[in-house]
Amino acid sequence: QKEVEQDPGPLSVPEGAIVSLNCTYSNSAFQYFMWYRQYSRKGPELLMYTYSSGNKEDGRFTAQVDKSSKYISLFIRDSQPSDSATYLCAMSGTGGFKTIFGAGTRLFVKA
Amino acid sequence: DVKVTQSSRYLVKRTGEKVFLECVQDMDHENMFWYRQDPGLGLRLIYFSYDVKMKEKGDIPEGYSVSREKKERFSLILESASTNQTSMYLCASSSRTYEQYFGPGTRLTVT
Repeated sequence: QKEVEQDPGPLSVPEGAIVSLNCTYSNSAFQYFMWYRQYSRKGPELLMYTYSSGNKEDGRFTAQVDKSSKYISLFIRDSQPSDSATYLCAMSGTGGFKTIFGAGTRLFVKA
Repeated sequence: DVKVTQSSRYLVKRTGEKVFLECVQDMDHENMFWYRQDPGLGLRLIYFSYDVKMKEKGDIPEGYSVSREKKERFSLILESASTNQTSMYLCASSSRTYEQYFGPGTRLTVT
C-alpha cells in the first residue's frame, strides 16, 4: 500500500464549477499537508499548506485536513481555464524535510 | 524570487553512458533534493542533501549517485544509464519543512 493515494484523473469540468481534489494517507506521523500545482513542462510549485488538522482558505482555494480519517482535500471555487494543471498532494512529518508526494490529479477546466 | 535551475531541459543518452544532471539554487537553502517523476507514480525521492558534502538516500537510490561540493549546487549522476531511467528528473531546494522550490525539470531519454 502506498503511503499517499491520489486519483490520477483526468478530471474535466466546465468553467465556473467547484472542483474537489482528494488524497488519503496511511502514516499518522504526517503533520504538514501541502498542495502543489504543476503546469505542463514546469516544475511543481506550492499552492497551499496546512499544519495538522483543519481548514485553510486562500482566495478561490480551500484546503481541508481530516486527520481522524487520514483524508485531505483541495477545493477550487469558480474554476478557471488557467487552473488546468496537475495537482499533487504532499505530506511530511515534523522530524525532517522528507516529503511524500501523491501521484497527482490532472485537471482540465473547459471554457 | 527563489530560482532553481537545471542544466538541461531535454537530454538523450545511450545505454551505458555516464550522465550528469546539475542543479543550482540561488536562495542559500541548506536542503536540496532529486526526484524522478513518472506517470502514475508521482514524485519519487532519489537522494537528498541537508548540507555540503552530506547526502542521504531516498526511496529509489539504486543506479544513482549525487555530489554536493558547494551549497548552491547539487548534482545527480547516473553511473551507467539504462532504459528504465528514462524519466523526468526534478531538482528542489528548501529551508522549510512544508515548502520545496522546484526547477523546471530535465526530461531524460535513454535509448
